[in-house]
Amino acid sequence: AQTVTQSQPEMSVQEAETVTLSCTYDTSESDYYLFWYKQPPSRQMILVIRQEAYKQQNATENRFSVNFQKAAKSFSLKISDSQLGDAAMYFCAYRRNNNDMRFGAGTRLTVKP
Amino acid sequence: DTEVTQTPKHLVMGMTNKKSLKCEQHMGHRAMYWYKQKAKKPPELMFVYSYEKLSINESVPSRFSPECPNSSLLNLHLHALQPEDSALYLCASSQGWGLAGDNEQFFGPGTRLTVL
Repeated sequence: AQTVTQSQPEMSVQEAETVTLSCTYDTSESDYYLFWYKQPPSRQMILVIRQEAYKQQNATENRFSVNFQKAAKSFSLKISDSQLGDAAMYFCAYRRNNNDMRFGAGTRLTVKP
Repeated sequence: DTEVTQTPKHLVMGMTNKKSLKCEQHMGHRAMYWYKQKAKKPPELMFVYSYEKLSINESVPSRFSPECPNSSLLNLHLHALQPEDSALYLCASSQGWGLAGDNEQFFGPGTRLTVL
């Protein structure tokens, strides 16, 4: 079974600084997708960034980037120039071919002004 | 329209009640999902519908009964629920099925269910 592990239940960052959220996963598949989702308090879950396993290049979306290490099964999220609106629960997720998506336990990010 | 809508936003029901949750999308997506999310926990997959057919049932108790009347609509019928079923129920949709880049899942805001 595929598992996704987020070892940081809570993280804190100063506004305008950079923070990295960790994620590791376990799989025997070679083709899959990895995602970071953001869920603000009492608000909708939205996709932050995704990475195709067959791509060596790390995905980037504006202030968000990932460090994808396929051999190590590691998928960390870096948030640069943190903003107050980045405060949320962040979930790392793994999806394989059958659309079965599994989430990690989440990391609650606090942004300090 | 890039929205997944869910109704109602909140639902309180007794253990003998029958109620339904509704999810709708008009993005032409052919896969739809129900997730259950307990407080401070990640979403857990319950059901997946692909092209209006049930593709995945994650051993969900029969007191939860999904229905996909058409490609835009997904229902979750609830009957004889237990207090431990209280949770946020999330609906999601994606364009298709399989490992394709455009199969990003779009989530609705959820229905917060309380079972008394």
